[in-house]
Amino acid sequence: AQSVTQLGSHVSVSEGALVLLRCNYSSSVPPYLFWYVQYPNQGLQLLLKYTSAATLVKGINGFEAEFKKSETSFHLTKPSAHMSDAAEYFCAVLRGGRRALTFGSGTRLQVQP
Amino acid sequence: DVKVTQSSRYLVKRTGEKVFLECVQDMDHENMFWYRQDPGLGLRLIYFSYDVKMKEKGDIPEGYSVSREKKERFSLILESASTNQTSMYLCASSPTDRGIVSPLHFGNGTRLTVT
Repeated sequence: AQSVTQLGSHVSVSEGALVLLRCNYSSSVPPYLFWYVQYPNQGLQLLLKYTSAATLVKGINGFEAEFKKSETSFHLTKPSAHMSDAAEYFCAVLRGGRRALTFGSGTRLQVQP
Repeated sequence: DVKVTQSSRYLVKRTGEKVFLECVQDMDHENMFWYRQDPGLGLRLIYFSYDVKMKEKGDIPEGYSVSREKKERFSLILESASTNQTSMYLCASSPTDRGIVSPLHFGNGTRLTVT
């Protein structure tokens, strides 16, 4: 079965520093992978998706993720954190049957001034 | 913009009550989903539907049922609410692109407290 594991439930960075949020996947078929963001008191918004085209995927708000098959990883990065990036981030994989997503446990990003 | 509307933002119910959570989407999406979100557990899939009157169990369907009588509306039913069903419930919808579900669009959630 397809699954994702997010390493680190909380990550704290300084404003202007690199953001790195880790996600590893397990899939018996070529995976479709997603990153979502949840701002306080809101639903989830799509940041970016990987669907077997380019391995480096660019998303909204300056985020990007790189698919690495050899490492079964899909880590999310942003070169320079902004205060507005403080939120919870979820990695997700398309399930077998291609009809729904399985989400990771989430990583809360804190940005210090 | 796709809009997914959940009827209540906050709900407080008593143990044993039958609870209905309603979700409506306005983009004619084939697929609709109910997830629950708990700290440290992320989002867990309860049920989903890929067509009117069709439903499939997710990972944690026990204690829940769903109804999809119209394409735009997907209801989650707690047959007899229990305290362990206190949670944030998120509804989502998506179209299907070449047989594969497309990225999900989420509502803002219903925070349910069962006392």
